[in-house]
Amino acid sequence: GAVVSQHPSRVICKSGTSVKIECRSLDFQATTMFWYRQFPKQSLMLMATSNEGSKATYEQGVEKDKFLINHASLTLSTLTVTSAHPEDSSFYICRLWGGNYNEQFFGPGTRLTVL
Amino acid sequence: AQTVTQSQPEMSVQEAETVTLSCTYDTSENNYYLFWYKQPPSRQMILVIRQEAYKQQNATENRFSVNFQKAAKSFSLKISDSQLGDTAMYFCAFTFQGAQKLVFGQGTRLTINP
Repeated sequence: GAVVSQHPSRVICKSGTSVKIECRSLDFQATTMFWYRQFPKQSLMLMATSNEGSKATYEQGVEKDKFLINHASLTLSTLTVTSAHPEDSSFYICRLWGGNYNEQFFGPGTRLTVL
Repeated sequence: AQTVTQSQPEMSVQEAETVTLSCTYDTSENNYYLFWYKQPPSRQMILVIRQEAYKQQNATENRFSVNFQKAAKSFSLKISDSQLGDTAMYFCAFTFQGAQKLVFGQGTRLTINP
C-alpha cells in the first residue's frame, strides 16, 4: 500500500488561532483527496472532497471559510482550520483516491485540541 | 441516497472465539463495493476485507470472512479464532462504481477479552 502521512499528528492550540494540517503521499498520486472529521466514539464524517488544482466541494453544514482546503498537487493536500474554537477539537483524517486501479488509502490522522 | 447501518454499537467476546459483526446497507445501485475497516486505538484506518457486488463468492482474508447477501443487502464480517489484537472499532463502508465517496456505518466497538 501507499505511504501516507499527516503532519502534525497531534496539535494543541489556543482558541482563535489557525491550524494547518498536511496530508502527504510519498508514493501514490491521488486524483482526489477527502477530509474527514471523527469525534470520539463516532464514525467518520466527510467534510470535503478536493481534486488537484480545483476548489474543494464541501458537505452540507461544513463552513468552507472555516475549513480551507488546498489540494496543491497529486501528493499533497492541506486542511486549515481558521479561528479554531473548542468545538473544532476532533480527529481529522485524510483519504486519498486514485491511481491506475482506483485505490484508496487513509492517512494516520491528526488529533486537534483547541483550548 | 446510500446508507450503511451497523446495529451493534459494542460487542465483546473471549479470545479464540468466533464473532460476527452485522452490517446492512441500502442502495439502488447495481455495481458497488463493500468494505470492512478496522480502526485500532492508534486510530489508523486499516482495510480488513473488500467485496465486489458482482462477485457471488464471499471474500475471505485469513481469519476474516464475509457473508454477503445481496438480495437482503447484508454484509456481515466473521472473525474466527479472535485475537487480542482484533480489539478495535470496525466500520462497514460502501461505494459504488464510478463514485469516489465512501459511506460509513456507525461502527461497532469490538473487545476481545483474554
